[in-house]
Amino acid sequence: KAGVTQTPRYLIKTRGQQVTLSCSPISGHRSVSWYQQTPGQGLQFLFEYFSETQRNKGNFPGRFSGRQFSNSRSEMNVSTLELGDSALYLCASSFDRQETQYFGPGTRLLVL
Amino acid sequence: DAKTTQPTSMDCAEGRAANLPCNHSTISGNEYVYWYRQIHSQGPQYIIHGLKNNETNEMASLIITEDRKSSTLILPHATLRDTAVYYCIVRAAPNSGYSTLTFGKGTMLLVSP
Repeated sequence: KAGVTQTPRYLIKTRGQQVTLSCSPISGHRSVSWYQQTPGQGLQFLFEYFSETQRNKGNFPGRFSGRQFSNSRSEMNVSTLELGDSALYLCASSFDRQETQYFGPGTRLLVL
Repeated sequence: DAKTTQPTSMDCAEGRAANLPCNHSTISGNEYVYWYRQIHSQGPQYIIHGLKNNETNEMASLIITEDRKSSTLILPHATLRDTAVYYCIVRAAPNSGYSTLTFGKGTMLLVSP
């Protein structure tokens, strides 16, 4: 079974731009969570989606948003990019909300 | 979620067992202990999880103390490819409605030849 895939793998943007990251969960998995990893803050939870609904949200500004489609694929969007948004963005999927989460390889975003 | 405490770093010789400790003294009765590892710049990899009993899979063994206040992840024969940051996570109970993983700083395990 294929693992979690994330696209693109690398991205360079400039301040003020917006970006959309995509995540395809493991086949059959219905829950998708997003995390941000930076050297200073470590791995932090962004949000969780299940059945196309946001179930939990971490402590991030409204510039960070996401959605989930009927096929469980998910996207996250960051608007008005700031230098501090440079990070590794990780997506994790699980069969159900309480099941084990499996992570993708991440999208490395660099904001200049 | 209960907080975990792990050593910042550990060393292990290749071929020897690596024993990574984790303290979670405030864990609740129905919270699970999860272990993930992250090799540099890759996504975290799930290793194992448990509730009360010891668990073993093809990657590792998880030993949870009887009072559940601490646990040890055992890699029986460490290889150079096991060099990674290992995260011990206490996850909220299944019926809590809260399913996120709260990562700490983890333990940097360095396996040397």
